[in-house]
Parts: sequence; structure tokens; C-alpha cells
Amino acid sequence: AQSVAQPEDQVNVAEGNPLTVKCTYSVSGNPYLFWYVQYPNRGLQFLLKYITGDNLVKGSYGFEAEFNKSQTSFHLKKPSALVSDSALYFCAAGGATNKLIFGTGTLLAVQP
Amino acid sequence: DAGVTQSPTHLIKTRGQQVTLRCSPKSGHDTVSWYQQALGQGPQFIFQYYEEEERQRGNFPDRFSGHQFPNYSSELNVNALLLGDSALYLCASSTGQGLSYEQYFGPGTRLTVT
Repeated sequence: AQSVAQPEDQVNVAEGNPLTVKCTYSVSGNPYLFWYVQYPNRGLQFLLKYITGDNLVKGSYGFEAEFNKSQTSFHLKKPSALVSDSALYFCAAGGATNKLIFGTGTLLAVQP
Repeated sequence: DAGVTQSPTHLIKTRGQQVTLRCSPKSGHDTVSWYQQALGQGPQFIFQYYEEEERQRGNFPDRFSGHQFPNYSSELNVNALLLGDSALYLCASSTGQGLSYEQYFGPGTRLTVT
């Protein structure tokens, strides 16, 4: 069965410091990997995706993610966090079934 | 350019009732997917519509049904509501069925079943 794990319910980071939000996945076939962000009372906003190509994917708002096939991971990163980055982040994966599976989300809190 | 719109924003229903939620896709998009997001959880895939037919379905009972109209808008119907159906229902649209097509999400409809 397909699954996505986000092991941290919450990540705390000081403004200006680098941030990492972790994600591991299990899908059949080649993985399609996504990161979305959700602000309170809003829908999900697309950040970035990996389908094929370079393992380092660059996305919106300065975010990037690194695909690691051997570790089946797709961690979200940003070199310098902003207070405005505080939100709920979802990792999602799909494979041969063509269905998108979401993780349970990680709340990112950036302190000024 | 309007993005994905959903109506209503909020809805309160009683157990056993039926509900219809509506979604208008982003301009130029022909594929609509529906997700259920329970409190504190990630979205769960309900089904996907393309060319007015259900193409993919997640692990949801037959109480959940849908429809897509010729203008690509879509409805989600839930019959015999249960307390556990209380959730945020998200609609997403894309320009194709496959996972390589980016999905744009609407703001959701908050359904409360009492």
C-alpha cells in the first residue's frame, strides 16, 4: 500500500536559520512527489514537485526539496526561514496507481 | 483569472441527511479531483472526474458520489451523513489526469455533521 510519512508534527526554527521538513514515502513504480503548504482556513498551495531529473528541485518562495531514492525521502528545505513561512506543510506522493497520497502534515513555526 | 472556487464555504447538516458540494475548476482545466481532510489529518483522495466520468476512486463508500458537467464543474454528493463525515472537503483541478499534472486546490467546504 502507498504511504507518506511526515515524522514531525511540528518544526520550530528561528528566523534566518535554515529549515528542514522531513518526508518519506512508499509507492509502487516511479514516484511522483509534491510539497504543498496550507495557511489557516485556506486550501493547499503548490510549492514544488519531483517527477524526474535532478534530485534537487527548486520551488516557490525559495523552497527546495531533495529527492533521495535509496532513502525514499523527499525533504523540504529553505536556507533562511521567514516568519511568514509559518504554516502547515504537506508532503504528497503518487506512483503506479495514479492516486495522490498525503502525509499528515508538519506545522512549521518560525520565531522572530 | 479565477482559481478553483467551491461553494458553499460552510455547511451544517444532521446525521442521515444528504449534502451536495460544488466546485468550479480553474480556467482551462478539465480534470477535477475531490479530497476529504479531517481535522488534524492530510487530505484523502475521494475520486477524480474527467470527461464527465469517474476515472479514479479512493477508499470511500458508495455514499460518496459525484458528477462532472460539460463545463467541467463538478459536484460531490454524500448520502446518509455520518458524524465522521465532518471534514474540510477540497476540490482540485488540473489539465490532465496523470500525476505529472499540477493540481490547483480550492479553499474548501467545511462540512459539520451534528
